[in-house]
Amino acid sequence: NAGVTQTPKFQVLKTGQSMTLQCAQDMNHEYMSWYRQDPGMGLRLIHYSVGAGITDQGEVPNGYNVSRSTTEDFPLRLLSAAPSQTSVYFCASSYSWGPSKSRGYTFGSGTRLTVV
Amino acid sequence: EDQVTQSPEALRLQEGESSSLNCSYTVSGLRGLFWYRQDPGKGPEFLFTLYSAGEEKEKERLKATLTKKESFLHITAPKPEDSATYLCAVQASGSARQLTFGSGTQLTVLP
Repeated sequence: NAGVTQTPKFQVLKTGQSMTLQCAQDMNHEYMSWYRQDPGMGLRLIHYSVGAGITDQGEVPNGYNVSRSTTEDFPLRLLSAAPSQTSVYFCASSYSWGPSKSRGYTFGSGTRLTVV
Repeated sequence: EDQVTQSPEALRLQEGESSSLNCSYTVSGLRGLFWYRQDPGKGPEFLFTLYSAGEEKEKERLKATLTKKESFLHITAPKPEDSATYLCAVQASGSARQLTFGSGTQLTVLP
């Protein structure tokens, strides 16, 4: 089924460890982004990309790196995990350089990350 | 700074009991207001986009309306399957590539 696929669904890290959250879409969307969702707070934008080779920072980029070598994939790297990065991470994509008028963003099902 | 405030934080309704969810926003030029539904353990699912004051959109038991300062999501005769968290987000003219989200309203519809 077409959509946004995120892996893994759950992850526990120790403080200081690094890891990569995977995001792949098969809809040929140019725009991809990463959000984090914390209790009592809205989804907050971490990084986004408007096409292969082009990335930019969002609202909360510190501690995260991204790259976009293909249209399909947009991995999020945690360089040195901290407890403050415990959150649920969502990848989202769209045809256009922002949310689609008719479909908004298409979200993945999320990765729940716990840093101990 | 763009801001979105949703109220109430949580709402419990009996099946068939209609109500409304509120989304108040402050944005420097509204390009679009989005409503999403989020089920536990899932990503947000797109419901509506509204662009200008006075606009209304409907889908099944849901109707979204928009004024210059707020949006309402009206739920008519809800069913237990309408239970979810409803998220509101705004897209500002100056930051067209991103959305500012509210923290959501958790709706529970009891049978």
